[in-house]
Amino acid sequence: GEDVEQSLFLSVREGDSSVINCTYTDSSSTYLYWYKQEPGAGLQLLTYIFSNMDMKQDQRLTVLLNKKDKHLSLRIADTQTGDSAIYFCAESLNTGGFKTIFGAGTRLFVKA
Amino acid sequence: ETGVTQTPRHLVMGMTNKKSLKCEQHLGHNAMYWYKQSAKKPLELMFVYNFKEQTENNSVPSRFSPECPNSSHLFLHLHTLQPEDSALYLCASRREEGSTNYGYTFGSGTRLTVV
Repeated sequence: GEDVEQSLFLSVREGDSSVINCTYTDSSSTYLYWYKQEPGAGLQLLTYIFSNMDMKQDQRLTVLLNKKDKHLSLRIADTQTGDSAIYFCAESLNTGGFKTIFGAGTRLFVKA
Repeated sequence: ETGVTQTPRHLVMGMTNKKSLKCEQHLGHNAMYWYKQSAKKPLELMFVYNFKEQTENNSVPSRFSPECPNSSHLFLHLHTLQPEDSALYLCASRREEGSTNYGYTFGSGTRLTVV
């Protein structure tokens, strides 16, 4: 079946690194995404990785993909209070219509 | 602003009312979507429009009626809703080009409360 799982909560101190993990079940995924949702707002695309890549870095964000274990992670370096939000992992399946499966989201709390 | 604009931001309606949600994008995207986000539930895809043609309707009750008059505008017409339809309704658009999927651009959503 198609499923994307994430832990519900993560709490870190300001300045530390945050690592948000995600597992998915469908091996036919082509792209994997991380979205951020702040209170009262829609989802904002943070970054994405193509399924034939292992790692992607973009400023404070590092995405690691382990395709064998179907595991995706998002590392936020030097976490700031403004990073407090819900982070959604999503996978895109090339089923002739790019079906996208979202996880339930991980709520990140950043303590000052 | 993300480039996808949704109005209104908040809506309170009675169960017998008729209202419409509006979504607009001028990003040149060719696909538009309605999602429902309820507390403690994953995002639910409701409708998909690709080049103005509805390509997906995920078993959504008929009290929700989408309309896509052109590739930049998307509406969700609501009538005789139930309290359990209260949720954040998100519009998204995407550029679909061959085998490349660039991800969604979401609007800020309409917070709907049915009383």
